[in-house]
Amino acid sequence: AQKITQTQPGMFVQEKEAVTLDCTYDTSDPSYGLFWYKQPSSGEMIFLIYQGSYDQQNATEGRYSLNFQKARKSANLVISASQLGDSAMYFCAMREGVSNYKLTFGKGTLLTVNP
Amino acid sequence: AAGVIQSPRHLIKEKRETATLKCYPIPRHDTVYWYQQGPGQDPQFLISFYEKMQSDKGSIPDRFSAQQFSDYHSELNMSSLELGDSALYFCASSLETDNTGELFFGEGSRLTVL
Repeated sequence: AQKITQTQPGMFVQEKEAVTLDCTYDTSDPSYGLFWYKQPSSGEMIFLIYQGSYDQQNATEGRYSLNFQKARKSANLVISASQLGDSAMYFCAMREGVSNYKLTFGKGTLLTVNP
Repeated sequence: AAGVIQSPRHLIKEKRETATLKCYPIPRHDTVYWYQQGPGQDPQFLISFYEKMQSDKGSIPDRFSAQQFSDYHSELNMSSLELGDSALYFCASSLETDNTGELFFGEGSRLTVL
């Protein structure tokens, strides 16, 4: 079974509007972490935001926030006030356990911000 | 701040040739990970090292090998290259004691096999 599911292959948003990118996960480990990475066309992987399974509050980093719904096993990324430079591939990823922090990635969502 | 350094950034090889990719982790990071990202695909975990010992293994072909050296840099060796090995290869590093487990990625090495 897929550990990380991103159901939106592509999303479009108007500049200055907010957009939500969906991510659901599957794990039986009580300790896990959820990450979002941005990958522009140039290829580098840029860390955006992190949510730990025991964190009580949703993570926020500037214009990025993570809508963490533990019971639903979802960790959606919300980007507020979209900018043209936000156009990129976005990956949700998970690490399981408390050691060996390898990540399992979802298939990604290609976000296009329109002027 | 120092980041993860990968070299070379671009590499073109013929089928059946060998290639070596190098990764220099962030200073004091003790764990290195290698990922392979094919065109239009998500990154796939290949292998990881903690304190110079292999700590986990993913979908790494038998034609590939890797190691971490005493200075913590790592090399990924790929032999008998196939067309399907064309991909972006990422190295990432982390600190075992970092509770978040955040991985810091290099900019990747793009391998093209002709």
